[in-house]
Order: sequence, then C-alpha cells, then structure tokens
Amino acid sequence: NAGVMQNPRHLVRRRGQEARLRCSPMKGHSHVYWYRQLPEEGLKFMVYLQKENIIDESGMPKERFSAEFPKEGPSILRIQQVVRGDSAAYFCASSRGATDTQYFGPGTRLTVL
Amino acid sequence: QQQVKQSPQSLIVQKGGIPIINCAYENTAFDYFPWYQQFPGKGPALLIAIRPDVSEKKEGRFTISFNKSAKQFSLHIMDSQPGDSATYFCAASKGAGSYQLTFGKGTKLSVIP
Repeated sequence: NAGVMQNPRHLVRRRGQEARLRCSPMKGHSHVYWYRQLPEEGLKFMVYLQKENIIDESGMPKERFSAEFPKEGPSILRIQQVVRGDSAAYFCASSRGATDTQYFGPGTRLTVL
Repeated sequence: QQQVKQSPQSLIVQKGGIPIINCAYENTAFDYFPWYQQFPGKGPALLIAIRPDVSEKKEGRFTISFNKSAKQFSLHIMDSQPGDSATYFCAASKGAGSYQLTFGKGTKLSVIP
C-alpha cells in the first residue's frame, strides 16, 4: 500500500512565478491536509480538504494561496506570484476519516529565488 | 502565540542513553497529544500518541509521560540508538473529531555511538 505521494520533491521558482504542488493521498483516504514548515520551525496547518470540498482553510494566507481536491486526481496547492518568504517545505497528509491518524508525505521543498 | 512549546531545541546523547524531550501547552481544550519522528528529507511519521485520561504510555522503547495539571508531556527514548537520530515533534489537537494539529518547533536528536 503506497503511502502519501507528493510531487515534485523539490521546486525552484523565481519571484512572481506560480508554484503548483501535488499530493496523492493513501489508498482509501479521502481527507487531505496541507501543512507548511519554515526552517527551524514546526509544521503549521494550512488547509483541510475532502473530495471537491474545502472544509477548513483557516491557516491559508488570504492572498495568492489556493487549494483544491478534485473528484479525480491529486490535491493541488497553488501559490501564485511567489515571494521569497514562501520558501519552505510543504507537507501533505491524509487520513481515512477526520478523526483518524494523519499520514504525511515526504514533502515538497519550495525555493523561491 | 506559540500554543505548544517544545524543548530542548537540540539534544546529543550517547548510545544507550535516555533522551527526554519536553512539551508544554496552554490550551486546556487540547485532548490528543501525538509525537512525530522526522528523518532528513522525509515527512513526519507518527511515533506514539496519548490522551489526557492516562499519565503514561509505552510503545517499545518510546514512552510518553503526561502531566495534566502542569499541562506538560514528554517523550523518553530508552536505550537510544544511532538510528533514533532524527527530529522529534510534539503536537496537540483539541476537541472530539479535531483534525488540526498544532506542532512544537521540534527537537533535533543526535545519538552518538
């Protein structure tokens, strides 16, 4: 049973470009969470999604960031017009139900030049 | 405001030693306290978790001690091995069905042979 898959593992963007991060949950999991980890910091919750629905986006910056989890395909975290402060590791987690253990993917390390 | 404070930031022990990592929280609504282990370049993996109705939980060489009145919990690693070298994060979530994990900043553990 494959774990949570994220791609790309590393992403380099110049200021002003768009970054698209993908997350495929574990088989049988329909709940997806995105977290951001800044250097020397713990993970910070960003958004919680179920298929085709955003349940809680209270941790998402109000501008430039968006997330989706379509009926088919992976969950996408999109960052428009990236700035240097967006450089971080972005982790996706999935769970079978909302109260079940969250399993994390290997992360996407975004570097903004 | 940091809701979960973790210490120390880094820790070096010799093989066979018992590293102890401490976390403190302020929000009394927290009722689920997991610990995650993260190796370089990997996502966090759930190690062990506890709820406040017990004061201690053991799984293999890993033990969580929980002090509800002091709002503190700690991770002990018995007979530590070089393979335990990793970053450890404590976390907390609140309320039945809660999904939003609040993480500490992490402790980088090095176990030297």
